[in-house]
Amino acid sequence: GAVVSQHPSWVICKSGTSVKIECRSLDFQATTMFWYRQFPKQSLMLMATSNEGSKATYEQGVEKDKFLINHASLTLSTLTVTSAHPEDSSFYICSARAGQGRYTFGSGTRLTVV
Amino acid sequence: TQLLEQSPQFLSIQEGENLTVYCNSSSVFSSLQWYRQEPGEGPVLLVTVVTGGEVKKLKRLTFQFGDARKDSSLHITAAQPGDTGLYLCVSYNTDKLIFGTGTRLQVFP
Repeated sequence: GAVVSQHPSWVICKSGTSVKIECRSLDFQATTMFWYRQFPKQSLMLMATSNEGSKATYEQGVEKDKFLINHASLTLSTLTVTSAHPEDSSFYICSARAGQGRYTFGSGTRLTVV
Repeated sequence: TQLLEQSPQFLSIQEGENLTVYCNSSSVFSSLQWYRQEPGEGPVLLVTVVTGGEVKKLKRLTFQFGDARKDSSLHITAAQPGDTGLYLCVSYNTDKLIFGTGTRLQVFP
């Protein structure tokens, strides 16, 4: 149980376009989801906490207008990278809290902006 | 903000060798988890430790939580190529996870 599905697994887009990444909890309800960014050979960096029905909480240094987060239901959170540029290329991972101390991660999305 | 430093950053060993990965925190852990992440995948939980001095075993993996709950170690016995991956120690509280700097392990046949 406690499966999180993330789509797409990889995407290539042109500079200036926007890309949406979906994170779904398949067999549980997630009032809180998290979005991470991971650079090659580095650890995960928390970008924002997504709360169902309210605004996301962004970590210091993360541009809210650049990385739009929507958590409209208890099973879906989306991250939209707006006006993407090559420096936004990265591995993005979502996770959801499935219970006390239980966090389940999506399989990640590799974004390449050309 | 709690900072988690892992060492070593990289480890490249032959199959059958033993290894230890360390995780040190700038402050006391409330609880600590270890994850393994394979390339192109999300992290997968290995273990959760809560009590100072706690030791947990998962097959060839032994996890230890320091008495003062500011450090932890992961020991792998007789490493195998399937152990290859990024190992992450993680502090969690009721709000969010804080990830360590990571240890990338490569086990060669």
